[in-house]
Amino acid sequence: DGGITQSPKYLFRKEGQNVTLSCEQNLNHDAMYWYRQDPGQGLRLIYYSQIVNDFQKGDIAEGYSVSREKKESFPLTVTSAQKNPTAFYLCASSSTGTSYEQYFGPGTRLTVT
Amino acid sequence: AQSVTQLDSHVSVSEGTPVLLRCNYSSSYSPSLFWYVQHPNKGLQLLLKYTSAATLVKGINGFEAEFKKSETSFHLTKPSAHMSDAAEYFCVVSDWGTGKSTFGDGTTLTVKP
Repeated sequence: DGGITQSPKYLFRKEGQNVTLSCEQNLNHDAMYWYRQDPGQGLRLIYYSQIVNDFQKGDIAEGYSVSREKKESFPLTVTSAQKNPTAFYLCASSSTGTSYEQYFGPGTRLTVT
Repeated sequence: AQSVTQLDSHVSVSEGTPVLLRCNYSSSYSPSLFWYVQHPNKGLQLLLKYTSAATLVKGINGFEAEFKKSETSFHLTKPSAHMSDAAEYFCVVSDWGTGKSTFGDGTTLTVKP
């Protein structure tokens, strides 16, 4: 089945540690995205990539980093510089040059204490 | 710059009655517009999309939306609510050039028996 997988579903970390969230897609999409969702709020764009080896900052990139070495994969690292990392993180992908309809993964809930 | 405003943060309806979720957008160019649904602790699922074809768009689960350029609106409707429609709904505008998407803050739909 084609789709997007995110792992793990739940992640717990101590403050001061970096943590990497996985996102893989087998939809052959060029574009991939990372969003953060806080309770009662919409999605805020962290980073996006429209092609391998290239990515752009979104609206809230501070304290996060990404890489795009393969078309299928777009991992997100939450660094210790991120002041409030506890949130629900969603990865998405889309084709480019058309409507940019996004397909979402199931999300990773990160809790930092 | 583009933006999305979902005019109601919460909507409550009785089962079997119509649903109206309101969305206004702002975009410099002809936009792509989407409605997504999110059930608790899940990823987002596409309900429907507008990409400059027919202004009345039909989606899954009986939902529809009408693109009104003069009013810069893209309201989501359903003739008869079902208990399973209770969820969070997001209106999204995408820029064709950059592929960047902007999400509304969401509308929580409650369906009463």
